[in-house]
Amino acid sequence: EAGVTQSPTHLIKTRGQQATLRCSPISGHTSVYWYQQALGLGLQFLLWYDEGEERNRGNFPPRFSGRQFPNYSSELNVNALELEDSALYLCASSRTGTDTQYFGPGTRLTVL
Amino acid sequence: AQRVTQPEKLLSVFKGAPVELKCNYSYSGSPELFWYVQYSRQRLQLLLRHISRESIKGFTADLNKGETSFHLKKPFAQEEDSAMYYCALHGSSNTGKLIFGQGTTLQVKP
Repeated sequence: EAGVTQSPTHLIKTRGQQATLRCSPISGHTSVYWYQQALGLGLQFLLWYDEGEERNRGNFPPRFSGRQFPNYSSELNVNALELEDSALYLCASSRTGTDTQYFGPGTRLTVL
Repeated sequence: AQRVTQPEKLLSVFKGAPVELKCNYSYSGSPELFWYVQYSRQRLQLLLRHISRESIKGFTADLNKGETSFHLKKPFAQEEDSAMYYCALHGSSNTGKLIFGQGTTLQVKP
């Protein structure tokens, strides 16, 4: 069974630009989660999507947004990039919103 | 507030020695707790989920509600156990989010 996949592996942007990160969940999983792993800050919850709807978001500004497509894949968009947005962004999926979460390999975003 | 604390950033032991990675949580309800492990250059992967009460790769963890702890233990460490370990709490229902501790790096020396 294929695991959670994320693309791209690395992304380099400059301040003020927009970044789009993509995630494909495990087959049969309808919930997708996004986490930010910034240096020194640990893993922080960003967003939760289930059945195409945003169900919860963490303590991040509105320039962090996303969506979930009918095939349950998801996109994370970060607008007006700031230097402190540089981090590893992890996507996870689960069968339901209360089930175990399985993680992808992450996208390393670098903002110059 | 819901919180997970892993007091040790680094734990270094010799091969064959017992290991205990500490995790304390703050949560008023019935918590659901996990241990995730990240080996070098690999993705974060589930090690244990407290409700399953399994032993994976020789690791066990018992939920102690009185001490609000979920320590990870292994009687005899192996070099291949060297990795970053994260304790995580799935708190209030219908939030979806996992609350992670800061992680502990386990270094098993030969």
